Amino acid sequence: DTEVTQTPKHLVMGMTNKKSLKCEQHMGHRAMYWYKQKAKKPPELMFVYSYEKLSINESVPSRFSPECPNSSLLNLHLHALQPEDSALYLCASSQGPGQGNTGELFFGEGSRLTVL
Amino acid sequence: AQSVAQPEDQVNVAEGNPLTVKCTYSVSGNPYLFWYVQYPNRGLQFLLKYITGDNLVKGSYGFEAEFNKSQTSFHLKKPSALVSDSALYFCAVRDIRTGGFKTIFGAGTRLFVKA
Repeated sequence: DTEVTQTPKHLVMGMTNKKSLKCEQHMGHRAMYWYKQKAKKPPELMFVYSYEKLSINESVPSRFSPECPNSSLLNLHLHALQPEDSALYLCASSQGPGQGNTGELFFGEGSRLTVL
Repeated sequence: AQSVAQPEDQVNVAEGNPLTVKCTYSVSGNPYLFWYVQYPNRGLQFLLKYITGDNLVKGSYGFEAEFNKSQTSFHLKKPSALVSDSALYFCAVRDIRTGGFKTIFGAGTRLFVKA
């Protein structure tokens, strides 16, 4: 069982839609991540939040907008996506600076996004 | 530059036989190394890590990995494979230059265990 919960598990949206992916963790981790994964490929880092502040943005297009409302929640707002954005979006958490931070990531089950 | 290589796209092994999934790395300084497993239509699961100490580290589901500094390798092993071990395995290294926030993943190795 995963301690990182992602909703929805599946999402189909048109290119003009606005939708959001949600992630929640209750492990007390202070670092949270969004990854994008294409089939049979490794995850690609999109964003990192540390103590609710955006620490890393891997030059992600502005049609993806992250939000970290509190230490347990992470959202990814989606707008005007392209078909090539179809992928599995994974949320992860880890210990943050000052928590030990040996670096292992704890992933959710992912949200499979299809853009029509 | 820091990098991780998994030289095999796929490993096939018979159930009950030992398995090895290979990984080599290139990092500056002391490596923080990890193995993750991904079952179909699931997220990645952390299996084990090497930070310091004993070169043989034990992890979940009977897996272990051997850190070899001279060969810059961190191969994943299991003495007796199960059909349920069939999955995609990723070796990874933590990029300490970014405060540890970036994890560099290998391309992945698909493991097939045949009954």
